[in-house]
Amino acid sequence: DAGVTQSPTHLIKTRGQQVTLRCSPKSGHDTVSWYQQALGQGPQFIFQYYEEEERQRGNFPDRFSGHQFPNYSSELNVNALLLGDSALYLCASSSQGDIQYFGAGTRLSVL
Amino acid sequence: AQSVAQPEDQVNVAEGNPLTVKCTYSVSGNPYLFWYVQYPNRGLQFLLKYITGDNLVKGSYGFEAEFNKSQTSFHLKKPSALVSDSALYFCAVRPVSGGYNKLIFGAGTRLAVHP
Repeated sequence: DAGVTQSPTHLIKTRGQQVTLRCSPKSGHDTVSWYQQALGQGPQFIFQYYEEEERQRGNFPDRFSGHQFPNYSSELNVNALLLGDSALYLCASSSQGDIQYFGAGTRLSVL
Repeated sequence: AQSVAQPEDQVNVAEGNPLTVKCTYSVSGNPYLFWYVQYPNRGLQFLLKYITGDNLVKGSYGFEAEFNKSQTSFHLKKPSALVSDSALYFCAVRPVSGGYNKLIFGAGTRLAVHP
């Protein structure tokens, strides 16, 4: 049984560009949450998707947006990239509010 | 504001000795509490959770955690540390009211177990 998978593993972008990160949840999970982990810090909650809708959002600007597909996979989009967006982006999946299981993350570097 | 504090950036332990990684939280109500571990270039791995019941919770790899409501603490413990336990440990809370299952994380504590 595959766990949570994220792609790509690493990504390098320049300021002002846009990026899309992808996440496939663990089999049987219907909820996807995204977190940003800056260097030396704990993960910060970005938003959560359930039934293809954003159901909760953390303190992140509108440049961060997402989507959930009918197969429960999800995308995180970041527009107008800033240097400060450089971080490890983690996707977590869960089922009906139970334990969140995390993927290995996508490391985004903004130059 | 809701927050989680891990007061130690790093904990050093000799192999075979007991270890404790501290966590305190500031969240209203009775939140769910979690510990995760992160190895280099890996995502977070779930270790254990506390929802209700016994204050001592047992988890994966021989880890356990002690919940103390009066001190709002949830310290991670292991009776005998292994070198392979060296990693970054995160405490997290899930607010019960209006939080769905959003997790609030501490800044992490690096555990170094020396042979």
